[in-house]
Amino acid sequence: DADVTQTPRNRITKTGKRIMLECSQTKGHDRMYWYRQDPGLGLRLIYYSFDVKDINKGEISDGYSVSRQAQAKFSLSLESAIPNQTALYFCATSDLVRADTQYFGPGTRLTVL
Amino acid sequence: DQQVKQNSPSLSVQEGRISILNCDYTNSMFDYFLWYKKYPAEGPTFLISISSIKDKNEDGRFTVFLNKSAKHLSLHIVPSQPGDSAVYFCAASVRGGGADGLTFGKGTHLIIQP
Repeated sequence: DADVTQTPRNRITKTGKRIMLECSQTKGHDRMYWYRQDPGLGLRLIYYSFDVKDINKGEISDGYSVSRQAQAKFSLSLESAIPNQTALYFCATSDLVRADTQYFGPGTRLTVL
Repeated sequence: DQQVKQNSPSLSVQEGRISILNCDYTNSMFDYFLWYKKYPAEGPTFLISISSIKDKNEDGRFTVFLNKSAKHLSLHIVPSQPGDSAVYFCAASVRGGGADGLTFGKGTHLIIQP
């Protein structure tokens, strides 16, 4: 079984809809991250969390919100989806000691029409 | 302003030869560098890393070289194999826990020709 799972793997939605992407991990890591990848671009950080009570904005947090429901679960929400949020979304985890080395989920491909 | 730059979108190398992927950075605060490999429909996977106190780190067929004065690093794969065909991302962080996450380059698509 995968250590970092993301659901759904693919989602097509319409402008203005609320969308939630979910991430679960069995690695026991404290730190979790959400990244976004656009075609021809690298991954950009949306939000990150060091523990359940610690949520931080990344480079491109506008239009997104997150919830850390438990150590193992970190969800990303788009309150009102817009077409330029069409992208590949990755969740990642890391531990405290080797926080630079991150373990990524398989990604969620989101299309906003 | 792109802080981590991979200027070659793609690179084609013959099987058995050396693959050299390059990466430049502009932020002097970066002191830990990583390479990730990504296959289609999968998330990136960690490949190799290097701290700024070193200028070389080797792991099997993969070697990363760091030139701090030039703010440049490179990944060498010797010999290149068909399974190495993937997108390679260079990433950087300020040591101390990757507190702000990682800063990624745009990636280089490596194609290994038989």
